[in-house]
Amino acid sequence: GAVVSQHPSRVICKSGTSVKIECRSLDFQATTMFWYRQFPKQSLMLMATSNEGSKATYEQGVEKDKFLINHASLTLSTLTVTSAHPEDSSFYICSARDAVAGRPYTQYFGPGTRLTVL
Amino acid sequence: QKEVEQDPGPLSVPEGAIVSLNCTYSNSAFQYFMWYRQYSRKGPELLMYTYSSGNKEDGRFTAQVDKSSKYISLFIRDSQPSDSATYLCAMSYGNNRLAFGKGNQVVVIP
Repeated sequence: GAVVSQHPSRVICKSGTSVKIECRSLDFQATTMFWYRQFPKQSLMLMATSNEGSKATYEQGVEKDKFLINHASLTLSTLTVTSAHPEDSSFYICSARDAVAGRPYTQYFGPGTRLTVL
Repeated sequence: QKEVEQDPGPLSVPEGAIVSLNCTYSNSAFQYFMWYRQYSRKGPELLMYTYSSGNKEDGRFTAQVDKSSKYISLFIRDSQPSDSATYLCAMSYGNNRLAFGKGNQVVVIP
């Protein structure tokens, strides 16, 4: 089956630093990747849609200058949390959409990255 | 992001029982309806998807959609301890985006 990896799986950083999270589709090409944030016992909240070779589309209320997204290739998207603060601590999950299959349900999720900002 | 309602209360059932989960929604523009399973500190895994009203079966799992009532359900028959996880409903809308419910933590007791 389709595999999506995320790196790192867990990161702890000091307030004010920037953290980069990578999302890779390992065995398929993904023209579109999505970034979600999940707080404990809460739903996955879509943050942004990452399109290969173009600017990301951010959901309402998500600061694009704080959450920088780059989708430089068909298998890699990165999310950089700039000047992280304790309220940014969360579980960040990416998903990758199969470029060939083309259905909404053909999104494969990564294992997530636990970010803790001290 | 469109709103999806899923009562997040935990659910404990004895092994072999039927697990019944449901979600409601208000937006008629939702197109596909999915159920995901998520283990602790892991990403969601797609269980089932449906498009039209009616039932869809896959082994011990049945997904049900009622578009007129804006209500979807997931049933797990003959539940097993390995079914213990959080179950999330999700619905697709513009540009292949997904709106998720809060999830139900299910515990199947041996």
